[in-house]
Amino acid sequence: NAGVTQTPKFRVLKTGQSMTLLCAQDMNHEYMYWYRQDPGMGLRLIHYSVGEGTTAKGEVPDGYNVSRLKKQNFLLGLESAAPSQTSVYFCASSYQDRAAFSSYNEQFFGPGTRLTVL
Amino acid sequence: KQEVTQIPAALSVPEGENLVLNCSFTDSAIYNLQWFRQDPGKGLTSLLLIQSSQREQTSGRLNASLDKSSGRSTLYIAASQPGDSATYLCAVSLNSGGYQKVTFGTGTKLQVIP
Repeated sequence: NAGVTQTPKFRVLKTGQSMTLLCAQDMNHEYMYWYRQDPGMGLRLIHYSVGEGTTAKGEVPDGYNVSRLKKQNFLLGLESAAPSQTSVYFCASSYQDRAAFSSYNEQFFGPGTRLTVL
Repeated sequence: KQEVTQIPAALSVPEGENLVLNCSFTDSAIYNLQWFRQDPGKGLTSLLLIQSSQREQTSGRLNASLDKSSGRSTLYIAASQPGDSATYLCAVSLNSGGYQKVTFGTGTKLQVIP
């Protein structure tokens, strides 16, 4: 049981290049999230997904796109990287009882991807 | 808009001391509150999750309390050890447009000195 895994761990891009970050979870969780973490700003939600085939915008979605073609995978894409996207990116997943909306939502995090855009 | 504040931003204590980390939030209509630990260059590890109907949770030397009415949570660490050195984050979740939105604090960086 690997939990939440992310690839790659590190990446350096030049301005204007594109890339895709992959997140995979083996806990059969419905919900998946992409966050970025910047010094002094905490974690901010980029996009999230409430199930296979669904995606939605979080707090800071501009410049990113996501896809959830399979329940276990959540991809984060940068079409044209900018220096402002230099950050550490974390993926997380959680189980949620949609009917009750009252419990769980314990989030499990991946190890992160450190991205530098020059 | 939910805001989560953690004070102090950094804390240094001698080994063996009991300590308290604070977390405050502005919207008390939360579903739960979660405490995480983050080691340098690593991801977040969940420590404790307190449901909105609960007042505290315990795990080993850790005890987290929740007072929804005052918008506060504390994480108590007993008999601190150098291995406890890390950044501790709290996060609250509440209903936002049909999903549970999670808002994180900026963390308290703890250093336990041998």
